[in-house]
Amino acid sequence: NAGVTQTPKFRVLKTGQSMTLLCAQDMNHEYMYWYRQDPGMGLRLIHYSVGEGTTAKGEVPDGYNVSRLKKQNFLLGLESAAPSQTSVYFCASSTDSQAKNIQYFGAGTRLSVL
Amino acid sequence: KQEVTQIPAALSVPEGENLVLNCSFTDSAIYNLQWFRQDPGKGLTSLLLIQSSQREQTSGRLNASLDKSSGRSTLYIAASQPGDSATYLCAVRRPGGSNYKLTFGKGTLLTVNP
Repeated sequence: NAGVTQTPKFRVLKTGQSMTLLCAQDMNHEYMYWYRQDPGMGLRLIHYSVGEGTTAKGEVPDGYNVSRLKKQNFLLGLESAAPSQTSVYFCASSTDSQAKNIQYFGAGTRLSVL
Repeated sequence: KQEVTQIPAALSVPEGENLVLNCSFTDSAIYNLQWFRQDPGKGLTSLLLIQSSQREQTSGRLNASLDKSSGRSTLYIAASQPGDSATYLCAVRRPGGSNYKLTFGKGTLLTVNP
């Protein structure tokens, strides 16, 4: 069972470079999320999507863009990377059930911006 | 603004001991509360989800309780094992159908010594 798969697992960027993180889920979930995890800050929601073709801002959206062209994929883009974006990025997905909205997480992408 | 606090930040116990992890939140108006486990370098795995109308949930050796009025939840682990060593995170979700944001605590790092 693949679940939620994130690529790449590790990446080092120079300031100003761009990159795209890919998240793929095979559970037919409607909802998908991007979080970042920083020491001493906990996990914070960057952007999320409630269905194919829709996206919305989370708690810390600045400097990031997202797209959900296909239901199973949620892309996170950094147009001009900054050292403050050094973090571990997690993608998650969940059903649209209000009663049991458990989020399933990928293994994470460790990004360093020099 | 919802804030989630987990105490202690780290806990070390001998194998076989029963233990309790604590989670407190400042706004009692929550939709549900989830406990997650995170292994080093890995993503989060959902352990238990408690709806706001519930008092507790059990899964194997794990029991999570919720006291919404006092803004507290506990995760009880019975007969701890070295394999339980991980970081445990709690997260609360706001009520309302469009509120998908989870507010996470910073976690408790648990070490179970053989």
